[in-house]
Amino acid sequence: SQTIHQWPATLVQPVGSPLSLECTVEGTSNPNLYWYRQAAGRGLQLLFYSVGIGQISSEVPQNLSASRPQDRQFILSSKKLLLSDSGFYLCAWSGTGGPRFTQYFGPGTRLTVL
Amino acid sequence: ILNVEQSPQSLHVQEGDSTNFTCSFPSSNFYALHWYRWETAKSPEALFVMTLNGDEKKKGRISATLNTKEGYSYLYIKGSQPEDSATYLCAFGVPDGLTFGKGTHLIIQP
Repeated sequence: SQTIHQWPATLVQPVGSPLSLECTVEGTSNPNLYWYRQAAGRGLQLLFYSVGIGQISSEVPQNLSASRPQDRQFILSSKKLLLSDSGFYLCAWSGTGGPRFTQYFGPGTRLTVL
Repeated sequence: ILNVEQSPQSLHVQEGDSTNFTCSFPSSNFYALHWYRWETAKSPEALFVMTLNGDEKKKGRISATLNTKEGYSYLYIKGSQPEDSATYLCAFGVPDGLTFGKGTHLIIQP
């Protein structure tokens, strides 16, 4: 069966510090991978998606970047965090085929930027 | 920017009662409508993926309907139980990913 892991579970970082959140998927090959964020008082917002190694698409201009160095690894990064980067970050995977496929979510990372 | 709206924002229901809530979405360029249940301290859990106008899906006491022509979906819970307490999210599927509503926060009162 497929599982998805995220770490760390919680993170408190000062403004201006770097960020690296990691997501890995087990039990499937060539998944579509996604990063979402839920900021306070808002719905889940799609940040990045990837259909393969090295292929990243960004949905919104922002202070963050994503990379996919391996088939089942997806990393969210920032060089300098802003207060507005605080939120709950979720990684998700789906089978190839687009919007009709269910997305399966990881446990999430709670990021607080002070 | 796609607009996915859910109502009500929160809902208190007595245990044993049935309830329903709404998701509205763009009626053009429809691909799929997803429903998720998100319990505190857990990952969002997929309930349904609906792709055809008139679709009805059922999972235990939870069911959903879809009207793509007018752009809405209803989620129904029959005989609410305390374990149904969660935030219910709908999401409009697009080629890049999912556009989520803000959710309906459901609290079942014993």
